[in-house]
Amino acid sequence: GAVVSQHPSRVICKSGTSVKIECRSLDFQATTMFWYRQFPKKSLMLMATSNEGSKATYEQGVEKDKFLINHASLTLSTLTVTSAHPEDSSFYICSAGVAGGSREQFFGPGTRLTVL
Amino acid sequence: GESVGLHLPTLSVQEGDNSIINCAYSNSASDYFIWYKQESGKGPQFIIDIRSNMDKRQGQRVTVLLNKTVKHLSLQIAATQPGDSAVYFCAENTGFSGGYNKLIFGAGTRLAVHP
Repeated sequence: GAVVSQHPSRVICKSGTSVKIECRSLDFQATTMFWYRQFPKKSLMLMATSNEGSKATYEQGVEKDKFLINHASLTLSTLTVTSAHPEDSSFYICSAGVAGGSREQFFGPGTRLTVL
Repeated sequence: GESVGLHLPTLSVQEGDNSIINCAYSNSASDYFIWYKQESGKGPQFIIDIRSNMDKRQGQRVTVLLNKTVKHLSLQIAATQPGDSAVYFCAENTGFSGGYNKLIFGAGTRLAVHP
């Protein structure tokens, strides 16, 4: 149980285009989803937190107009990287928290974004 | 302040030896800690967790030790196997803050197991 999927697993796009990454909780309802970014050989950095049906809360230094987050249902959150540039190339990972107050987060497999 | 990863230290061990991976956390208010394993190109995988009212917790081949006095966490892996080779992250959680349950990740340690 508690499986989180991400789609796509890997995407290559041209500079200036927008890319949407989906995060789904497959067998549970996730009231809260988190988006992380990870550069090579570095740790995970939290980008934003979103609750279903409300606006995402962004961490300091993360541009909300650049990284659009939508948490439309209890099983789906999307991250859209708008007008992507090569410096946005990174590994994006989502996690989901289970409804009911459990503090455990379940992580997706990650999405590798390469902007040319 | 928050734990921020600046570099990735490496621990090299022989297969069959015990491994100890250390982590210093930053927030004395953190009351829940998790160890994750991350293989190349994959998302973090939960290993074991511990709450601040405990100082030791054991799982299968793994043990987590928590020293709140010095804000230190360790992960011990018994009889390390080649499949244990990965990057290991500790993460701290301060509970619900503004309604959200944030995890702050440590810098990570690469474990390399040699036959």
